[in-house]
Amino acid sequence: NAGVTQTPKFRVLKTGQSMTLLCAQDMNHEYMYWYRQDPGMGLRLIHYSVGEGTTAKGEVPDGYNVSRLKKQNFLLGLESAAPSQTSVYFCASRPQMSWDNEQFFGPGTRLTVL
Amino acid sequence: DQQVKQNSPSLSVQEGRISILNCDYTNSMFDYFLWYKKYPAEGPTFLISISSIKDKNEDGRFTVFLNKSAKHLSLHIVPSQPGDSAVYFCAASVVQKLVFGQGTRLTINP
Repeated sequence: NAGVTQTPKFRVLKTGQSMTLLCAQDMNHEYMYWYRQDPGMGLRLIHYSVGEGTTAKGEVPDGYNVSRLKKQNFLLGLESAAPSQTSVYFCASRPQMSWDNEQFFGPGTRLTVL
Repeated sequence: DQQVKQNSPSLSVQEGRISILNCDYTNSMFDYFLWYKKYPAEGPTFLISISSIKDKNEDGRFTVFLNKSAKHLSLHIVPSQPGDSAVYFCAASVVQKLVFGQGTRLTINP
């Protein structure tokens, strides 16, 4: 099992460009999450999904869109990138039945917006 | 508002001694608390968790203590080893989500 994988690992964008980050999991998990990590801020939830075809906003959703067309994939889109979106992005997943809400994380995508 | 806080950005401990990482929270609705460990250029990995109805959970060298009246939890690592050097995140579970603290960078010195 590869677990949770993220594509790409690194990316540099110019202000105003768009891009899509891909998250894939092979554990048949129902729930998937996108976080961003910034120095001194911990991990903040951007959007999440509790099943195929569903999405919901997290703590910091502005400037991002998501889609969950297939159960194993969760896409995070930036329509018009801004320097404030420079961050490390982590995807996570968990099964629907999880007694402590443990989430399994991918390796991250480091995004720089110039 | 920061619902989960880790007030110590960094901690330095000698190898073999006890490491104590602290976390405070404000929301009484949190039902589980988790600790994650993160190495550079990797994703966080789960370490240990505790239910809000318990006050202690132990797993090998790692013990988590929960003080509900003080809304405080701590992670004890005994004995500390060089491989424990990492950033540790405290997280609290509510509904389907986790709320994370800012993280504490633990450095184990030989």
